[in-house]
Amino acid sequence: RKEVEQDPGPFNVPEGATVAFNCTYSNSASQSFFWYRQDCRKEPKLLMSVYSSGNEDGRFTAQLNRASQYISLLIRDSKLSDSATYLCVVNGGADGLTFGKGTHLIIQP
Amino acid sequence: GAVVSQHPSRVICKSGTSVKIECRSLDFQATTMFWYRQFPKQSLMLMATSNEGSKATYEQGVEKDKFLINHASLTLSTLTVTSAHPEDSSFYICSALGDSRGQPQHFGDGTRLSIL
Repeated sequence: RKEVEQDPGPFNVPEGATVAFNCTYSNSASQSFFWYRQDCRKEPKLLMSVYSSGNEDGRFTAQLNRASQYISLLIRDSKLSDSATYLCVVNGGADGLTFGKGTHLIIQP
Repeated sequence: GAVVSQHPSRVICKSGTSVKIECRSLDFQATTMFWYRQFPKQSLMLMATSNEGSKATYEQGVEKDKFLINHASLTLSTLTVTSAHPEDSSFYICSALGDSRGQPQHFGDGTRLSIL
């Protein structure tokens, strides 16, 4: 069974702090990896793809560890608007996409 | 960026009604489209995968006669919930995938279906 595991949270973090999420996946044949952000009662929106070498987009840094089969997302200088659910998504190729259940983040003023 | 349009965004109807949801890729050709369902406080669950010009592939436990999927063109897929009942009330989201390997899916805005 293909699984993607995330800590559901909620993570309550003060504004300006740094927060990190991890995600583990079971399918070693997984080919590509993504973080999506989902606001309450809205559709998921792509936050960033995750590359083997690690990648950064502004305050967001994603890293992939294929050996340990985990993905991480780091958010620096968190803003109130970062409050959302963050979905870890793994593309298993022919096995299709598997979604984590999401990590709920609440940034507090 | 790639845009996927989903319509309608909100449906409220009586039990027994059939509801049709459209999913369109506006600026790219979507060889594959996916239909998901999301119940409150749960993750997305894949219902079916549709490829243009062929029958949809349904996930285990999803009734193909109840959730009719048509992917008649490279830019349009439709999901029809036939004879909907209150337990079908959910958030339905489509996504579309182009030809490039490894690219992320692009999601529609979702349809919130409420069956009374």
